[in-house]
Amino acid sequence: QVQLQESGPGLVKPSGTLSLTCAVSGGSISSSNWWSWVRQPPGKGLEWIGEIYHSGSTNYNPSLKSRVTISVDKSKNQFSLKLSSVTAADTAVYYCARVGVGATYTNYYYYYMDVWGKGTTVTVSS
Amino acid sequence: SSELTQDPAVSVALGQTVRITCQGDSLRSYYASWYQQKPGQAPVLVIYGKNNRPSGIPDRFSGSSSGNTASLTITGAQAEDEADYYCNSRDSSGKGVFGTGTKVTVL
Repeated sequence: QVQLQESGPGLVKPSGTLSLTCAVSGGSISSSNWWSWVRQPPGKGLEWIGEIYHSGSTNYNPSLKSRVTISVDKSKNQFSLKLSSVTAADTAVYYCARVGVGATYTNYYYYYMDVWGKGTTVTVSS
Repeated sequence: SSELTQDPAVSVALGQTVRITCQGDSLRSYYASWYQQKPGQAPVLVIYGKNNRPSGIPDRFSGSSSGNTASLTITGAQAEDEADYYCNSRDSSGKGVFGTGTKVTVL
């Protein structure tokens, strides 16, 4: 079955750029799924960061859009997150997830994340 | 608004039924998906679509929707169901959104 694994530095300096990669195994990143990044600050809820399709189409959280870039590398079967100008508020556990999306015959849509990575903790500190 | 609102906490006696709700405008067009998260673990999808359970999710978990409100029901709650639960959907602009989360305590 599909598995996801996040990787990247666990410590980033303030004003620097956070860079994470999500490796997809057991399946192709070129499947009919979107691929998403989600984060969770300590003791807080889940925050959707953004998502990418294998074609390169992206959707971003408006509150982060000016600082976020999500990209895909089909040759390596992975996708990546870059978050620039980080502050302590960006300290969080970062998850990658596979997204299923579609429409029913009643024109109701569905959207869900059925496969998640284990998460990686990123701390922003000098 | 693209926000999804949940009650912060609910409690349920062992073996009883508990309903968790999620409200938001996007739910008039999208079915909510529901996630269970235990401390120190990644979220796990428990309900998606109209009322679909991924493989391995017990049938005591069910979902429903009406208007701008989605509900997750646990019928016959077990001790292992104690966790945080989040709803999720996409809004009309294509942005994903999570609910504020509900902490479920099994007494």
